[in-house]
Amino acid sequence: DAGITQSPRYKITETGRQVTLMCHQTWSHSYMFWYRQDLGHGLRLIYYSAAADITDKGEVPDGYVVSRSKTENFPLTLESATRSQTSVYFCASSGSSKETQYFGPGTRLLVL
Amino acid sequence: GENVEQHPSTLSVQEGDSAVIKCTYSDSASNYFPWYKQELGKRPQLIIDIRSNVGEKKDQRIAVTLNKTAKHFSLHITETQPEDSAVYFCAAIADTGGFKTIFGAGTRLFVKA
Repeated sequence: DAGITQSPRYKITETGRQVTLMCHQTWSHSYMFWYRQDLGHGLRLIYYSAAADITDKGEVPDGYVVSRSKTENFPLTLESATRSQTSVYFCASSGSSKETQYFGPGTRLLVL
Repeated sequence: GENVEQHPSTLSVQEGDSAVIKCTYSDSASNYFPWYKQELGKRPQLIIDIRSNVGEKKDQRIAVTLNKTAKHFSLHITETQPEDSAVYFCAAIADTGGFKTIFGAGTRLFVKA
């Protein structure tokens, strides 16, 4: 589990500000994912990436932007944060689309 | 849209009893079904998974069954222990014609000593 890290672990921001959440993995996994976790909704996929420079939308992509210039990093940017984006964000990685997804420790984001 | 329904939302059992959590999915393209355990304030961790060409899989006290016809899969925990107390999530993943992963809303399991 130490092979996938997220930063920051906690973030407080204000409505309208840009926020970037970082995700780094050391396993050279091809796939990386961003989820948000809210009470009553479980985990919802925001974006995923099958390889460097290949990204695609998940279930709830609106308001988020991702990039993947290097295999090991997959940052998630909230271009103009809204209160509805207050959540716990988890990054995950896996070797293929049908292998175990290993989750990072999560980032708790509060948008005031 | 596609969804995964998970029941029950809360489950309380006595130590030593069995616990069963059920999930139903809607996307017939789903072909991989993992189960995750999440303790309070921690990250989800895989406990068992099953692929669409298998009907049942067991790992010590944990087993998962899959009925593709009914689009239904279940988690079975036998001889429950207090450390099994956590939130459990099922997921259905489809990787044909694009990639989709849909999680259930979770089941909070309490194991009473």
